Amino acid sequence: QSALTQPASVSGSPGQSITISCTGTSSDVGGYNYVSWYQQHPGKAPKLMIYEVSNRPSGVSNRFSGSKSGNTASLTISGLQAEDEADYYCSSYTSSSTLAWVFGGGTKLTVL
Amino acid sequence: QVQLQESGPGLVKPSQTLSLTCTVSGGSISSGGYYWSWIRQHPGKGLEWIGYIYYSGSTYYNPSLKSRVTISVDTSKNQFSLKLSSVTAADTAVYYCARGWLGGYFDLWGRGTLVTVSS
Repeated sequence: QSALTQPASVSGSPGQSITISCTGTSSDVGGYNYVSWYQQHPGKAPKLMIYEVSNRPSGVSNRFSGSKSGNTASLTISGLQAEDEADYYCSSYTSSSTLAWVFGGGTKLTVL
Repeated sequence: QVQLQESGPGLVKPSQTLSLTCTVSGGSISSGGYYWSWIRQHPGKGLEWIGYIYYSGSTYYNPSLKSRVTISVDTSKNQFSLKLSSVTAADTAVYYCARGWLGGYFDLWGRGTLVTVSS
């Protein structure tokens, strides 16, 4: 079982907006602004999309945005495009004695 | 630009040691502030952080793997390596090397290499 909880799947039509949630605890998501999001297409390495909750790396579309409220972080993709169909993973720093970084279980985004 | 590339055997026998190397090109592995990490992904599953070596040489491992993992660095070759001992079929996965930052994110990843544990 992953340390961070994500929905297994979400879907949306082209042009719509979707939000993927990532729920942790006060020892990780809620305690630090160190949440990141990754996009992974089949057979490819993960790609950083959001870091430190809401920052976008250079080259990442501004259709991708991140936020956090309490122990839950969110990734929002606006103006859905077919190329956005992929798996998305959240990650957070954790002060738990067990791990330094934890990942969510991943969310499969389907563009209808 | 900085790139990472994993290399190593794709097939390892049970009970043996899995050994992988990550070659960093386009930049120095000794540059300050980075957490050179190994992350794996079991077939069809999510990501699992294995451990990191800081540019200073200090290491930190996932406690669930700590007794079997060693990460080391060879600055002369601009490489860092992973050794995972006493492997079983449960260690079959795609192994990625990645560059980590203090903010807990990984901005650069290798392409990944599939390691299968089988006799």
